[in-house]
Amino acid sequence: NAGVTQTPKFQVLKTGQSMTLQCAQDMNHNSMYWYRQDPGMGLRLIYYSASEGTTDKGEVPNGYNVSRLNKREFSLRLESAAPSQTSVYFCASSEDPGGWMAEAFFGQGTRLTVV
Amino acid sequence: DAKTTQPPSMDCAEGRAANLPCNHSTISGNEYVYWYRQIHSQGPQYIIHGLKNNETNEMASLIITEDRKSSTLILPHATLRDTAVYYCIVRVADQTGANNLFFGTGTRLTIIP
Repeated sequence: NAGVTQTPKFQVLKTGQSMTLQCAQDMNHNSMYWYRQDPGMGLRLIYYSASEGTTDKGEVPNGYNVSRLNKREFSLRLESAAPSQTSVYFCASSEDPGGWMAEAFFGQGTRLTVV
Repeated sequence: DAKTTQPPSMDCAEGRAANLPCNHSTISGNEYVYWYRQIHSQGPQYIIHGLKNNETNEMASLIITEDRKSSTLILPHATLRDTAVYYCIVRVADQTGANNLFFGTGTRLTIIP
């Protein structure tokens, strides 16, 4: 049972480069999320997708775009990477069809460094 | 959005009960309290959640005060593997009903051998 799988696990980018972080879940969950975690900080929500075909901004969306490719996959794209985007990125999913009871499952993270 | 306040760090002796407090004085009547933990910068792990009543599962117990302004997560017999950052979160839903979990900085719990 894989749960939430993120690729890649590590990445180093030069300033201005672009890349896409991939996330897939095998739990048939409706909702998916992207968070970032800076050193010594809690997680901050970047974007989320309440259901297939919908995406919405979270707390810190600037510099990112997302695509909910299908129910399983939710990707995060950095069009022009900046050093301020150096962080650990976590993808999560939850069953939550709008109810209150579901818990979220997290991937193992992508450690991104922008130089 | 209801905010939570947690102590930045706590220690607990191995084998003893670890009691982690959380204040959420502005919580609204239909907001749940969730607890997650994060071990060694891995992805956060769900522990337990509750609304009004006390809850218990195989990992922990959650005690919520009658006025719902604070709660306590209890790990009954702490082990070294319980060393982690523990997050107390009040669930927020927007108009679409999305399950947005807003994390603060949590409590760093260290289990002492």
